[in-house]
Amino acid sequence: DTGVSQDPRHKITKRGQNVTFRCDPISEHNRLYWYRQTLGQGPEFLTYFQNEAQLEKSRLLSDRFSAERPKGSFSTLEIQRTEQGDSAMYLCASSSGGQSYEQYFGPGTRLTVT
Amino acid sequence: LAKTTQPISMDSYEGQEVNITCSHNNIATNDYITWYQQFPSQGPRFIIQGYKTKVTNEVASLFIPADRKSSTLSLPRVSLSDTAVYYCLVGARGTGAGSYQLTFGKGTKLSVIP
Repeated sequence: DTGVSQDPRHKITKRGQNVTFRCDPISEHNRLYWYRQTLGQGPEFLTYFQNEAQLEKSRLLSDRFSAERPKGSFSTLEIQRTEQGDSAMYLCASSSGGQSYEQYFGPGTRLTVT
Repeated sequence: LAKTTQPISMDSYEGQEVNITCSHNNIATNDYITWYQQFPSQGPRFIIQGYKTKVTNEVASLFIPADRKSSTLSLPRVSLSDTAVYYCLVGARGTGAGSYQLTFGKGTKLSVIP
């Protein structure tokens, strides 16, 4: 296994457009996380899945954001009606669960909203 | 969520041991302490995790005093490739059963000087 992969790596979109990002976790990991990171800040938690169930969602997450993990494997993160403030790096991570907080992160998708 | 405080930046010469201390005064009884490393334009990478006393792996050591209100990440004999941002995290229970959130602060930017 080559680790967590994300697609696309870069996305430029115009304000008001919808965008969708994909994350493929490490195959045997049942937990999948989405984070957002802006310049100079640490990653900010967005949401988290265990298998196909979305167990946790940040209260800071706007209704324009939605995430799915339909078959408990890959996940998609959609942002509707993008705003310039959505410009950030979107990171996906996976873990095998249990007590450990050891997460494996992908390379991220850099979103620029013009 | 438990909050962590760590220095914004540190400088060190190559070959020296670096100690980065993090305070987490309101850590919960069953929370673990986890450290991540992040290079520019990459996702964070898990370094080490501990609950109490001392944990050592092939890249770092983690020292946790008895009161667990702080922890120190120790990097032996740093090299230029250790220049990165280091995050201290305290796990926090989420709202779902068995779920948790990782809260990243701003981290410590370590610069290793030749």
